Amino acid sequence: QVQLQQSGAELAKPGSSVKISCKASGYTFTSYYISWIKQTTGQGLEYIGYINTGSGGTNYNEKFKGKATLTVDKSSSTAFMQLSSLTPDDSAVYYCARKVPPMDAWGQGASVTVSS
Amino acid sequence: DIQMTQSPSVLSASVGDRVTLNCKASQNINKYLNWYQQKLGEAPKLLIYNTNNLQTGIPSRFSGSGSGTDYTLTISSLQPEDVATYFCFQHNSWLTFGSGTKLEIK
Repeated sequence: QVQLQQSGAELAKPGSSVKISCKASGYTFTSYYISWIKQTTGQGLEYIGYINTGSGGTNYNEKFKGKATLTVDKSSSTAFMQLSSLTPDDSAVYYCARKVPPMDAWGQGASVTVSS
Repeated sequence: DIQMTQSPSVLSASVGDRVTLNCKASQNINKYLNWYQQKLGEAPKLLIYNTNNLQTGIPSRFSGSGSGTDYTLTISSLQPEDVATYFCFQHNSWLTFGSGTKLEIK
């Protein structure tokens, strides 16, 4: 079955970076884009962007340009999202999901906490 | 950006009730509207795509309708396992989520 397995919780200091992974299984990785979504209690769900897993091409929500960088490693069927220059506002649960819409399979989420 | 407004924000209903959740877009989204269910502590799950298409494996008590700016998710007979927050999501112009409707059992 289709599965997206994300990396674990991260505790990071302001100004640092974190890199979250999303390992796909149960389907041909390069056949579907991967989306990334941010969830906070205050802002709800926000769409960050997506990556073409075949070409590596990306498209970002304007709000997350310069904050998020999406990459893939086709050899391991893994997508990555790096978040840079972290602030407390970046504390959230981050999800990867298969496809742009309709996001038919989701990872379990990776919690990022930014605190000094 | 297209804004998605869901109503009500909280809905309390009894088991067996017919339940209707609403989602209104700030402009025409041409039926490019999906619905997701999120249970506590879990990732969102796709229920309905492109307004009225039931995702594989989703019970037939869930249905979607709408057009233009107004869309609806209906649960024909509420079950205890339907307790969750429901989000609408438009993909007509970029991609934005609604703020969610929390569904509770009375």
